[in-house]
Amino acid sequence: EPEVTQTPSHQVTQMGQEVILRCVPISNHLYFYWYRQILGQKVEFLVSFYNNEISEKSEIFDDQFSVERPDGSNFTLKIRSTKLEDSAMYFCASSAFRLLAGGQDNEQFFGPGTRLTVL
Amino acid sequence: DAKTTQPPSMDCAEGRAANLPCNHSTISGNEYVYWYRQIHSQGPQYIIHGLKNNETNEMASLIITEDRKSSTLILPHATLRDTAVYYCIVRVARSGGSYIPTFGRGTSLIVHP
Repeated sequence: EPEVTQTPSHQVTQMGQEVILRCVPISNHLYFYWYRQILGQKVEFLVSFYNNEISEKSEIFDDQFSVERPDGSNFTLKIRSTKLEDSAMYFCASSAFRLLAGGQDNEQFFGPGTRLTVL
Repeated sequence: DAKTTQPPSMDCAEGRAANLPCNHSTISGNEYVYWYRQIHSQGPQYIIHGLKNNETNEMASLIITEDRKSSTLILPHATLRDTAVYYCIVRVARSGGSYIPTFGRGTSLIVHP
């Protein structure tokens, strides 16, 4: 069964450093997403991406963050100048089609996550 | 966003049915009810969704009340591997009709031997 994969599974970095989290979405999916989950907190939406551009983003996704699809398979989240409060699990997800509120379902498939620890 | 209310925790004996309730009294006519679960430290996993009819798949059944103000996710024969946080989510349209799941606190289900 196809699945979303993420690397690394755990990333430790020093405050102020840049990190790049990598995701390989399911191969025929067109929509990509990043979420984060601070320990003990809710899963929070960060950004969605389609056709090589951001389609939606939350207030969390500020100038510190950027996303890229550098080739046909990878989808990356870059965090510039990491802060202590960026420590969290970061989940990538993909879907075949755009998620629509009122229509038939086009589901998101989530990856296993990358645990980011900022020291 | 339309809000959902779920009990913070429940427990269930292995082999028994687990019935997880969700209230969504402000749901609108064309909004679907979705259920996801998150096993410890893993990514959320889709379980089932429905609009107004009861639904069943290989993982679970979803019972939606006639007024659609509440629903129940049923795991017919819970196993230890079903221990997870279960999220009930109502789709709410954003601009252009798109949708992004909004995860609440969910119900922490513990299945015990």
